[in-house]
Amino acid sequence: NFMLTQPHSVSESPGKTVTISCTRSSGSIASNYVQWYQQRPGSSPTTVIYEDNQRPSGVPDRFSGSIDSSSNSASLTISGLKTEDEADYYCQSYDSSILYVFGTGTKVTVL
Amino acid sequence: EVQLVESGGGLVQPGGSLRLSCAASGFTFSSYEMNWVRQAPGKGLEWVSYISSSGSTIYYADSVKGRFTISRDNAKNSLYLQMNSLRAEDTAVYYCAREGDLFFDYWGQGTLVTVSS
Repeated sequence: NFMLTQPHSVSESPGKTVTISCTRSSGSIASNYVQWYQQRPGSSPTTVIYEDNQRPSGVPDRFSGSIDSSSNSASLTISGLKTEDEADYYCQSYDSSILYVFGTGTKVTVL
Repeated sequence: EVQLVESGGGLVQPGGSLRLSCAASGFTFSSYEMNWVRQAPGKGLEWVSYISSSGSTIYYADSVKGRFTISRDNAKNSLYLQMNSLRAEDTAVYYCAREGDLFFDYWGQGTLVTVSS
């Protein structure tokens, strides 16, 4: 089993870039795809990145995903930050024994 | 348009039971694996249960194993979660989520389950 740890919160000004990390506690981050979900206040989650770096149709290219084996972490980068990006973001991966693992979640505040 | 609409939530006493439903539309329900995911108030997301497209393969999180039962009726385009022996820590919004190959590509709006005396 493994855990996915995210920073509790990040904040940045409109137009800037913010990066959220998702660190895997054991095993390789590259062994299973990482997804990212956005959850705006009072709403259900939606997928913004799947399979490490793929964007579903309708998600702006301001959102990008990557993995870094050296730090055993995945990252979600939001560029050209907008007020509508203010939300909670969760990473998620897969484990053969406990199946779906979610990250601890990060609150993004647009100042 | 893919739509998932949960229902059946409410207030229940500890030790009680509740059955959640999820009505699916906008896609061929019988071709997709489905899941239940929950979120306790002010907390993060927790996967609860998985069911294959035919219903032949089922998995549960350890926290609900032996108490919850997932099922589906492909003729009715519906997913269910029977919850027994409910505990205070089961209080959460329960989401129905379509499986998109080891992740969740569509989510419902959720239904709130409150376990309290």
